[in-house]
Amino acid sequence: AQSVSQHNHHVILSEAASLELGCNYSYGGTVNLFWYVQYPGQHLQLLLKYFSGDPLVKGIKGFEAEFIKSKFSFNLRKPSVQWSDTAEYFCAVNSGGGADGLTFGKGTHLIIQP
Amino acid sequence: EAGVAQSPRYKIIEKRQSVAFWCNPISGHATLYWYQQILGQGPKLLIQFQNNGVVDDSQLPKDRFSAERLKGVDSTLKIQPAKLEDSAVYLCASSLVLRGPSTDTQYFGPGTRLTVL
Repeated sequence: AQSVSQHNHHVILSEAASLELGCNYSYGGTVNLFWYVQYPGQHLQLLLKYFSGDPLVKGIKGFEAEFIKSKFSFNLRKPSVQWSDTAEYFCAVNSGGGADGLTFGKGTHLIIQP
Repeated sequence: EAGVAQSPRYKIIEKRQSVAFWCNPISGHATLYWYQQILGQGPKLLIQFQNNGVVDDSQLPKDRFSAERLKGVDSTLKIQPAKLEDSAVYLCASSLVLRGPSTDTQYFGPGTRLTVL
């Protein structure tokens, strides 16, 4: 069975600080990896995804993530955060052809202080 | 493009009552998912449909939960009877690609927040 671990449940940063949110997964086969974000009062939406190729993936709003297979990790990064990045961030994984249901981590609540 | 629609947005019921949630996926999306998100946790897959057939319902508590997808479009999720621990947000998602060399994006609806008293 798959599992996803997000190490930081609550993170507080000041504007312009750099961000890195940790994500590790447990699964022996080929995986697809995702970061979703939920802004206050809004739906879950995709930030970025990895399924093959370049392990450094760029997403929307200046976010990027790096897949390190040997570490079973897919950490999310942003060099300079903004107040509008305040949100809940979820790492997720699925396997197979890509249409399988997602296994999510517990999420990281990120607060950016102006 | 219209997103995934869900109703109702909020529901409060007493334990042992029944409740039903409705989902209308993005037009043309073959795959539909129901997730349960308990406060403080990430969403957990309950059931996945491909067109109107069930692909995965291994995590659906079948003694009280049921779901159907009418004509491969809309879907309903029912709980009968509800328990206190069913209090959660129920999310519907849909995706376009059935199988293929890439992985498709799941688009989520706003969810239905269920409170069981």
